[in-house]
Amino acid sequence: SQELEQSPQSLIVQEGKNLTINCTSSKTLYGLYWYKQKYGEGLIFLMMLQKGGEEKSHEKITAKLDEKKQQSSLHITASQPSHAGIYLCGADRWNTGKLIFGQGTTLQVKP
Amino acid sequence: DAGVTQSPTHLIKTRGQQVTLRCSPKSGHDTVSWYQQALGQGPQFIFQYYEEEERQRGNFPDRFSGHQFPNYSSELNVNALLLGDSALYLCASSSVGWQGYGYTFGSGTRLTVV
Repeated sequence: SQELEQSPQSLIVQEGKNLTINCTSSKTLYGLYWYKQKYGEGLIFLMMLQKGGEEKSHEKITAKLDEKKQQSSLHITASQPSHAGIYLCGADRWNTGKLIFGQGTTLQVKP
Repeated sequence: DAGVTQSPTHLIKTRGQQVTLRCSPKSGHDTVSWYQQALGQGPQFIFQYYEEEERQRGNFPDRFSGHQFPNYSSELNVNALLLGDSALYLCASSSVGWQGYGYTFGSGTRLTVV
């Protein structure tokens, strides 16, 4: 089984709607990263969370890390077609520089 | 400021052949990690290079090897290619800071083995 589980695996939303993607680990995380990927391309860094309870926002995207540092959520407000892509959560469990990733969540935004 | 540069962008090889992929890290970064991303999956860690040595390795066979040069650039070599090696290969560079690692990914090399 995956060390990091993302849900849902895929998502189709109407433009303007809000959505949430979850990332769950069975173990405590040192750092939790969110990346966005266009099909077949590299990863674009969105946010990094380190402290339990931490919340960060960038434009219409907000990410949170729960108090126990075992689950993170990514929330997009008023989705736009430009938000479409694959969202990946990654964890650096021991701050060694080795990232483990979830399987990704594919987001489609219908105009 | 250039980010991470990978070459080539696409590559087609035949089973049994050998391939070399290249990565130039972001300016100021000294650590390079390689990942393999199969279609529909998240990236899988292959190995990491720092100070020209392999520091960590994921669950990949010895057919996968690498090198880091004094200018911090890196190569990934795969020998005896299998069909299952077809994937997007991503390079990530980083440097250790007080906030932990900051990773910058390249656009990847798409390897197709036929």
